[in-house]
Amino acid sequence: DSGVTQTPKHLITATGQRVTLRCSPRSGDLSVYWYQQSLDQGLQFLIQYYNGEERAKGNILERFSAQQFPDLHSELNLSSLELGDSALYFCASSTEQLWYTFGSGTRLTVV
Amino acid sequence: GEDVEQSLFLSVREGDSSVINCTYTDSSSTYLYWYKQEPGAGLQLLTYIFSNMDMKQDQRLTVLLNKKDKHLSLRIADTQTGDSAIYFCAETGSARQLTFGSGTQLTVLP
Repeated sequence: DSGVTQTPKHLITATGQRVTLRCSPRSGDLSVYWYQQSLDQGLQFLIQYYNGEERAKGNILERFSAQQFPDLHSELNLSSLELGDSALYFCASSTEQLWYTFGSGTRLTVV
Repeated sequence: GEDVEQSLFLSVREGDSSVINCTYTDSSSTYLYWYKQEPGAGLQLLTYIFSNMDMKQDQRLTVLLNKKDKHLSLRIADTQTGDSAIYFCAETGSARQLTFGSGTQLTVLP
């Protein structure tokens, strides 16, 4: 157990739908990062939050959004889903941008 | 922007050494990492090296860093079948978050 918890582990949904992925960071970590892993794009950085505030944005689509709550857990919202959004979504947390600990991921399948 | 490159595949015999190579472009990289991903699993941090170091050894793992050539390598001694996985090189530099290479699929043959 890495200390970073992601739910759900698997998600199957239809095109056009909206889903929410949840991440609880390791105790004491203030930063949360979201990554998308797909076969054709590899591991792509989506977005980072630090202590509730958005810190950095990567290749995140406008259909996707995220937030970090006062208890530091984070949610990634994916809307108007397309087949190409099928991927593994990882959350990572870190302290002082040194130790990045990853959760086991949420596998999203859009049918 | 930052770019990290790795070869896609490596096959070795059990008991041999494996060397996985990585090149990066961000000269402001401060930390460089090696992660391991087994099938259906998340990313496990194997080791890291600070940019002012040339080498780091941790049991069967040896990391070499050539900062001039922006080249990083991971050597796994006495490779076992359980080492079969995808290995990702990653760095943090000016982007201030992890940038990953495409991953190297290591296959260990009996």
